[in-house]
Amino acid sequence: SAVISQKPSRDICQRGTSLTIQCQVDSQVTMMFWYRQQPGQSLTLIATANQGSEATYESGFVIDKFPISRPNLTFSTLTVSNMSPEDSSIYLCSAGRQGYEQFFGPGTRLTVL
Amino acid sequence: DAKTTQPTSMDCAEGRAANLPCNHSTISGNEYVYWYRQIHSQGPQYIIHGLKNNETNEMASLIITEDRKSSTLILPHATLRDTAVYYCIALNQFYFGTGTSLTVIP
Repeated sequence: SAVISQKPSRDICQRGTSLTIQCQVDSQVTMMFWYRQQPGQSLTLIATANQGSEATYESGFVIDKFPISRPNLTFSTLTVSNMSPEDSSIYLCSAGRQGYEQFFGPGTRLTVL
Repeated sequence: DAKTTQPTSMDCAEGRAANLPCNHSTISGNEYVYWYRQIHSQGPQYIIHGLKNNETNEMASLIITEDRKSSTLILPHATLRDTAVYYCIALNQFYFGTGTSLTVIP
């Protein structure tokens, strides 16, 4: 198994600013992912964080809005850029190995005013 | 990727078995079925997965029909702590549907 931690756990931000969320895994994993969960909704995959290269984004998500880094096997960041109230969501990091279950972090609850 | 269909919500009496169905009629032969649950305000938690044989672990049992077009997650003795949204996912386990909101009633 893997333990995933995220920072911050929650934040309230002003419109037009950016927030960087950190995700740390306690063991080396091959795959890391970022999800968004809007209020009352299911999870939506934003992107796959690739070590040492550009993330792979899902349809509807772009690098300029959600830049992602993954400098090593156990750490990744997601930045929510130029925020608007529509970006208010829970952002979740997950990690795992190909063909095995995912482990999720506790999430970052973002409110944009 | 196979699309899954689940009932929106279900109730279960505490101590009874909770049977959560999932339809995945378009699943292909090499696609696994995964189940996760999400308790309020927490990240999703892996429960179990299977390909074609029934599976059991300390949390639940997974029954997959012979044609693999549907499956049922069984929580044998539901407790109040099992109240959560349960997600059934096929193949890449990355694409979550709407899930089933299970409420365990005292």
